[in-house]
Amino acid sequence: QKEVEQNSGPLSVPEGAIASLNCTYSDRGSQSFFWYRQYSGKSPELIMFIYSNGDKEDGRFTAQLNKASQYVSLLIRDSQPSDSATYLCAVSRRLTGGGNKLTFGTGTQLKVEL
Amino acid sequence: DAGVIQSPRHEVTEMGQEVTLRCKPISGHNSLFWYRQTMMRGLELLIYFNNNVPIDDSGMPEDRFSAKMPNASFSTLKIQPSEPRDSAVYFCASSFWGQGIYGYTFGSGTRLTVV
Repeated sequence: QKEVEQNSGPLSVPEGAIASLNCTYSDRGSQSFFWYRQYSGKSPELIMFIYSNGDKEDGRFTAQLNKASQYVSLLIRDSQPSDSATYLCAVSRRLTGGGNKLTFGTGTQLKVEL
Repeated sequence: DAGVIQSPRHEVTEMGQEVTLRCKPISGHNSLFWYRQTMMRGLELLIYFNNNVPIDDSGMPEDRFSAKMPNASFSTLKIQPSEPRDSAVYFCASSFWGQGIYGYTFGSGTRLTVV
């Protein structure tokens, strides 16, 4: 079982619709959860993070966390063509030697169509 | 802030040659990570430094790979000898570890092609 699992997609949504991206993780010791966006040929960039059960909203983005189900999701409202990218889910746990280790899923490709 | 700086952006080398990738983390960040990204395996953590000390190198695939961080502002990842299966995009990322929650900031990556 992979530590972080995502559907590779592509997930196609029409412009203006809500895109829903999902992620499950296996390590119950995971403490923080991150969503990164990666455009083709570019580096990952942080969109938002969440660490408490429930929802966290930032503009058009909402992250949802359910630790009991080991499930994280990202909702993108009013999807725009510029949102077309690969979305990477990452989970973090503290290391005994110090610091946090981020483990990434393989990403979900999102396509927002005109 | 210039962000995480990696060099070179692209590297094409012949099998058996030594390759050195370089990274300058964000000033003030105390954690540095080297990742490798391929289509098949996604982002894989190779090695992680905290305060210039290697903490976890379990992701380094073989003895052909080595990494150093001689000071807080510079790190290298070396592959010797290189093989075609090493072809990938190598990312360096840095972060601040302390109280609170911090994500990683990635560099632009080095696209390595071994022929």
